[in-house]
Amino acid sequence: GENVEQHPSTLSVQEGDSAVIKCTYSDSASNYFPWYKQELGKRPQLIIDIRSNVGEKKDQRIAVTLNKTAKHFSLHITETQPEDSAVYFCAVTTNTGNQFYFGTGTSLTVIP
Amino acid sequence: NAGVTQTPKFQVLKTGQSMTLQCAQDMNHEYMSWYRQDPGMGLRLIHYSVGAGITDQGEVPNGYNVSRSTTEDFPLRLLSAAPSQTSVYFCASSYREGSQPQHFGDGTRLSIL
Repeated sequence: GENVEQHPSTLSVQEGDSAVIKCTYSDSASNYFPWYKQELGKRPQLIIDIRSNVGEKKDQRIAVTLNKTAKHFSLHITETQPEDSAVYFCAVTTNTGNQFYFGTGTSLTVIP
Repeated sequence: NAGVTQTPKFQVLKTGQSMTLQCAQDMNHEYMSWYRQDPGMGLRLIHYSVGAGITDQGEVPNGYNVSRSTTEDFPLRLLSAAPSQTSVYFCASSYREGSQPQHFGDGTRLSIL
């Protein structure tokens, strides 16, 4: 099956700084790469996603970049705010799209 | 639109007991799935379904059964609960298979004593 590695496992930044989380995957046929945010005790919620035919996608303060050759993709959060504090998960689907493989999560703390 | 509804929210079982976790969605989504979330391990796929009458195994299917008799419902059955099945279980759905955003339920926190 797919092998997804996510780094770092914890990340602390000062409010206003940027945060970057990186995931690597093993299956070159993977074609969909979503990012989820999970607040303590809550459900995971999709924040941004990217498909294999696109190299970068932005949504206000959040962006995702994809390097298919190197098989890694990254989440970028700019101008971080305390409400960005949460656990972030990357995910990858197989080429059939039926199975999602999640990274182990990054706990982001934004210090006011 | 309630989205994805899971019941119960909390459950404590004794080793060897069986139970069913319920999941229902009202978005007419074809694809539904079950995950377990353990500390430090992210979410792992247990079983999934691409439509009524069709189910398949995910990454960690042992000890669990599923069925999909309707588009709306996708129950997860624990046949004989073991302490290793203590976890938080999430149900998710998407419009169809093939790289679509998933909508998660609120989760069921299950403890096996």
